[in-house]
Amino acid sequence: SQQGEEDPQALSIQEGENATMNCSYKTSINNLQWYRQNSGRGLVHLILIRSNEREKHSGRLRVTLDTSKKSSSLLITASRAADTASYFCAITQGGSEKLVFGKGTKLTVNP
Amino acid sequence: KAGVTQTPRYLIKTRGQQVTLSCSPISGHRSVSWYQQTPGQGLQFLFEYFSETQRNKGNFPGRFSGRQFSNSRSEMNVSTLELGDSALYLCASRLETGSGNTIYFGEGSWLTVV
Repeated sequence: SQQGEEDPQALSIQEGENATMNCSYKTSINNLQWYRQNSGRGLVHLILIRSNEREKHSGRLRVTLDTSKKSSSLLITASRAADTASYFCAITQGGSEKLVFGKGTKLTVNP
Repeated sequence: KAGVTQTPRYLIKTRGQQVTLSCSPISGHRSVSWYQQTPGQGLQFLFEYFSETQRNKGNFPGRFSGRQFSNSRSEMNVSTLELGDSALYLCASRLETGSGNTIYFGEGSWLTVV
């Protein structure tokens, strides 16, 4: 079963705008990771945020984690057409190392 | 440093056949895991291997199996293929077990069962 739930399911924006995707989960976590997937390709790791961290940055990406609300957000600033992809959050929990994925947000950045 | 390498990238099999997929992790990584991605079920965990031992297994039937070799390379096998096994199979590697380690994915193997 999938514990992560991304919101929205689909997002269409113009180049230069910011894109925000949200992820909610149901149980306590060890860490939460965000991945990008271009159509038909593998998953590209974007950011890992540990359960004791609240915010991380990587280039144009900003991830926040609110464990009290069991939610995370991924912000992509100044989006580019090349950012068009599906974005997934994935959690690890308890003593297991397996990733539990959400269903993903499909982002379209229009030139 | 080479990434996670999966072979073959694309394959077509007939119902009832079996298939073996191969994964070479990033050099130095000892943990390898497998995931299945379908439009209906999304990304689902199959199993994880560390130092040739299966550490965790997802909720898949026994037709799905895997193994890891001493060089950390891994294979997964699906026997008696069904149409519903058509999916993108993704392999991922990690330096070692323990939370906080980034998991890196390969490009996947596209399996079509006809």
